Amino acid sequence: DAGVTQSPTHLIKTRGQQVTLRCSPKSGHDTVSWYQQALGQGPQFIFQYYEEEERQRGNFPDRFSGHQFPNYSSELNVNALLLGDSALYLCASSLYGTSGTDTQYFGPGTRLTVL
Amino acid sequence: GQNIDQPTEMTATEGAIVQINCTYQTSGFNGLFWYQQHAGEAPTFLSYNVLDGLEEKGRFSSFLSRSKGYSYLLLKELQMKDSASYLCAVRDRDTGFQKLVFGTGTRLLVSP
Repeated sequence: DAGVTQSPTHLIKTRGQQVTLRCSPKSGHDTVSWYQQALGQGPQFIFQYYEEEERQRGNFPDRFSGHQFPNYSSELNVNALLLGDSALYLCASSLYGTSGTDTQYFGPGTRLTVL
Repeated sequence: GQNIDQPTEMTATEGAIVQINCTYQTSGFNGLFWYQQHAGEAPTFLSYNVLDGLEEKGRFSSFLSRSKGYSYLLLKELQMKDSASYLCAVRDRDTGFQKLVFGTGTRLLVSP
């Protein structure tokens, strides 16, 4: 049973560039959430995709956008990169409508460094 | 608003017991989770509480008081491998979607 996978593992970009991060959810899951985790902080919710639409969004600017594909995989795009965008980007998958101990399963993350 | 507070750092010795507290004020509540996160790795699920009381799971226990907006994670018989960050997270109101609001995490250092 494949867990959540993310690519790439590490990425170095310069200010002003654009970046695309990718995520494949755990088998059987249909919802993908993206989180940003700055060093020494807890993960911050960016947005969530279900049925190829953005369903919820956190307090992040429009420079952060996403997409979900019919196979439930997802991309996170960040435009006009700023130094402050340097962080670990976590993808988490879940199944719509579940509750109780069913929670989000996190991928290993993509470490983005903006120079 | 959403606010989750945890101590920034705690230290303990191998074999001891440590309690990590978490207080929360959130607009909705549909369960509280504890995650463990080793440096540079993804958070891994430890425990879940939605009703008041204590949930025990091996060396780990978690307690919840919804009226006080308070939870704690209790780690017994500490091992060196328990050195990690511990994240308290509240699941937002039940909309069918899983959305977690995290605290900043508590970094636990276990020494010999």
